[in-house]
Amino acid sequence: DGGITQSPKYLFRKEGQNVTLSCEQNLNHDAMYWYRQDPGQGLRLIYYSQIVNDFQKGDIAEGYSVSREKKESFPLTVTSAQKNPTAFYLCASRLGRGRNYGYTFGSGTRLTVV
Amino acid sequence: QQQVKQSPQSLIVQKGGIPIINCAYENTAFDYFPWYQQFPGKGPALLIAIRPDVSEKKEGRFTISFNKSAKQFSLHIMDSQPGDSATYFCAANQGSARQLTFGSGTQLTVLP
Repeated sequence: DGGITQSPKYLFRKEGQNVTLSCEQNLNHDAMYWYRQDPGQGLRLIYYSQIVNDFQKGDIAEGYSVSREKKESFPLTVTSAQKNPTAFYLCASRLGRGRNYGYTFGSGTRLTVV
Repeated sequence: QQQVKQSPQSLIVQKGGIPIINCAYENTAFDYFPWYQQFPGKGPALLIAIRPDVSEKKEGRFTISFNKSAKQFSLHIMDSQPGDSATYFCAANQGSARQLTFGSGTQLTVLP
């Protein structure tokens, strides 16, 4: 079955550490996205990538970094510069061509600073 | 101009009721309007979507009503069930090269 896999499901980070969240898709989608969701809040865009080796900052990119070396993978690193990283992180993808605009989301990673 | 405003923030209905969630937008270039359903601890899932050339779309108990002149669209859930309790997000898109713009979400509770 095609889909998006995020790992790990739960992640704990110590102060000052960098951590990397994994996002892999086998849908042959061109575009991939990272969103942050805080309790009771909407979705805020962190970074997105329309093609391999290219990505753009979203609305809240400070303290985060990404790479897109393969079409299937779009890992997100939460750096120590991110002052309040505790949140639910969602990865999404979509075809990026034609008129099929719908996103497919992963099941999320819950990051907690300890 | 890229905002999508969603209301209400939360909604409580009895089983069998018809909750209605509303969204409004300003950007007339938006050409795709999906709704997503999210259960706690899960990623959002596409529920139903509409394009601006139609005024209504039904899929099962879920209906989108679209008013192009008012720049508003809404989700109706017929015969709501406790299992429909979730957070619902509307969104809008402008072309395949751009990302979705999401509303702020509505937390729906359907009481048994």
